[in-house]
Amino acid sequence: SAVISQKPSRDICQRGTSLTIQCQVDSQVTMMFWYRQQPGQSLTLIATANQGSEATYESGFVIDKFPISRPNLTFSTLTVSNMSPEDSSIYLCSVAPLGVPKNIQYFGAGTRLSVL
Amino acid sequence: DQQVKQNSPSLSVQEGRISILNCDYTNSMFDYFLWYKKYPAEGPTFLISISSIKDKNEDGRFTVFLNKSAKHLSLHIVPSQPGDSAVYFCAAVFGNEKLTFGTGTRLTIIP
Repeated sequence: SAVISQKPSRDICQRGTSLTIQCQVDSQVTMMFWYRQQPGQSLTLIATANQGSEATYESGFVIDKFPISRPNLTFSTLTVSNMSPEDSSIYLCSVAPLGVPKNIQYFGAGTRLSVL
Repeated sequence: DQQVKQNSPSLSVQEGRISILNCDYTNSMFDYFLWYKKYPAEGPTFLISISSIKDKNEDGRFTVFLNKSAKHLSLHIVPSQPGDSAVYFCAAVFGNEKLTFGTGTRLTIIP
């Protein structure tokens, strides 16, 4: 298993500003993922954060809007840039620990973002 | 295009009875299915999974059934307990591709 700390747990931001969300894992993991859950919607994968290389983004998500860092095997950040009210969502990070099937992911508690 | 659908946004069940949560999918390439459980202010936690080569997987009070011809899976919880009150997400995956989640069903167990 893995224990994931995600910060901040919630924030209220002004339109046009940026917010960086941090994800810290208590063990080294190869794969870290960032998801978005818009109100009433399912969890949607934004990108896979790879250590030592660029993140891999899913269709509909771009690096300029959601830059991701992955400086080591236990930490990653997601920035939501130039925010608009449409970015109001819950953002979650998850990991696939070593030795655990990739599909069984462990999630952080999420960051609830409201953009005014 | 919602490839994984949970058509019941909410479900209420008496304590001690069986809870049945349903999930339908459209992509016949999916070969692995999972259920996650989410409490308020917490992240989803893995509950149980099933491979497409099986039609049933059981873990204690939780059983997942897969009907490939109908592209349908269900999660049975017997007996239901108050601590089972949560939002349940089904998810599906093909090979090493990403997880595709449903929109979730909020289960409320009535004491």
